[in-house]
Amino acid sequence: KQEVTQIPAALSVPEGENLVLNCSFTDSAIYNLQWFRQDPGKGLTSLLLIQSSQREQTSGRLNASLDKSSGRSTLYIAASQPGDSATYLCAVRPRPGGGADGLTFGKGTHLIIQP
Amino acid sequence: DVKVTQSSRYLVKRTGEKVFLECVQDMDHENMFWYRQDPGLGLRLIYFSYDVKMKEKGDIPEGYSVSREKKERFSLILESASTNQTSMYLCASSFYREGEQYFGPGTRLTVT
Repeated sequence: KQEVTQIPAALSVPEGENLVLNCSFTDSAIYNLQWFRQDPGKGLTSLLLIQSSQREQTSGRLNASLDKSSGRSTLYIAASQPGDSATYLCAVRPRPGGGADGLTFGKGTHLIIQP
Repeated sequence: DVKVTQSSRYLVKRTGEKVFLECVQDMDHENMFWYRQDPGLGLRLIYFSYDVKMKEKGDIPEGYSVSREKKERFSLILESASTNQTSMYLCASSFYREGEQYFGPGTRLTVT
């Protein structure tokens, strides 16, 4: 059964720092990997989607990488801002026929950017 | 932009009541999903649907059922609510079966 782990569980850094959030998964037979952010009490906002054939995706100050063979993904946030404070979730999608459909989520990294 | 809406942000129900959670998406997506989110357990898939009147069980379907009579609407039904179904419920949709999923704002359900 696929398991997704996110490290660290919580992170607090001063504004302006570059930071890296880590995600690992146990089964490399994935179709894609998606990063989300979730603000307290709210739904999930999709940040980046990386297909299994891709190595990275970029959107503004965010860059996500994927190393499928080692079961790892990182989310890089450049020049962090207080508005980046949220919980960041990583989720993987199995290949078609690779088990239950839908996404398997990590438990998230709770990020606080100090002004 | 994709918009996924859920009928209620907060809901309080009594044990044994039948509960309906509604989800509507406005982007003609074929695929819709229901998840629940609990502290320490993360998000888990309850049911999903790839077409009208079609449904498939996810990882934790027990105690739930779903209905999809129209493409844009996917309902989650708690036949007889129990306290262990107190949770945040999140609906999602995607255009392609394996495509990017877009989430609604969530419904926080409390069963007393």
